[in-house]
Amino acid sequence: DAGVTQSPTHLIKTRGQQVTLRCSPKSGHDTVSWYQQALGQGPQFIFQYYEEEERQRGNFPDRFSGHQFPNYSSELNVNALLLGDSALYLCASSLMGVTDTQYFGPGTRLTVL
Amino acid sequence: SQKIEQNSEALNIQEGKTATLTCNYTNYSPAYLQWYRQDPGRGPVFLLLIRENEKEKRKERLKVTFDTTLKQSLFHITASQPADSATYLCASHNAGNMLTFGGGTRLMVKP
Repeated sequence: DAGVTQSPTHLIKTRGQQVTLRCSPKSGHDTVSWYQQALGQGPQFIFQYYEEEERQRGNFPDRFSGHQFPNYSSELNVNALLLGDSALYLCASSLMGVTDTQYFGPGTRLTVL
Repeated sequence: SQKIEQNSEALNIQEGKTATLTCNYTNYSPAYLQWYRQDPGRGPVFLLLIRENEKEKRKERLKVTFDTTLKQSLFHITASQPADSATYLCASHNAGNMLTFGGGTRLMVKP
């Protein structure tokens, strides 16, 4: 049973560029959440997707957007990259209505130069 | 605003001792708290969940307590081993499946 997968593993971009990160949830899960984790800090919630719609959003600007596909996989897009966007981006999958554990992927390390 | 806080200082202990990590929350009352382990450059791994009506939960060498009066959860690792060295994150559920995390506490177990 495949767990949560994310791609790419690492990414280097320059300021002003755009980036797309991808996530495939754990088999049987229908909800994908994205988190940003700066070095030395805990993960911060960006948004959550269920049934191809954004259901909840954290305190992140509109430069952060996402999408969920019919197969439940998801993308996170960040436009006009800033140096402060450098972080580990984590995807977590779960089953809507089941207020239990979330399964995290290994993350994508984004470096903005 | 809702806050969940952990001791940002690293905890250094000797192998075989019990490690105790603290998680405090303010301005809200979470229905449950979760603890995760995170190794460098990896995603968090779920360890334990404790509900507000549960005082204590155990899993092998792990124990979690939830004190709603003190607004605090304690996470214990008994008979600690060097392999337990990692960052431990406390998190609470908000509406839906959104998690609010503390900053994490780094545990170093020395042989």
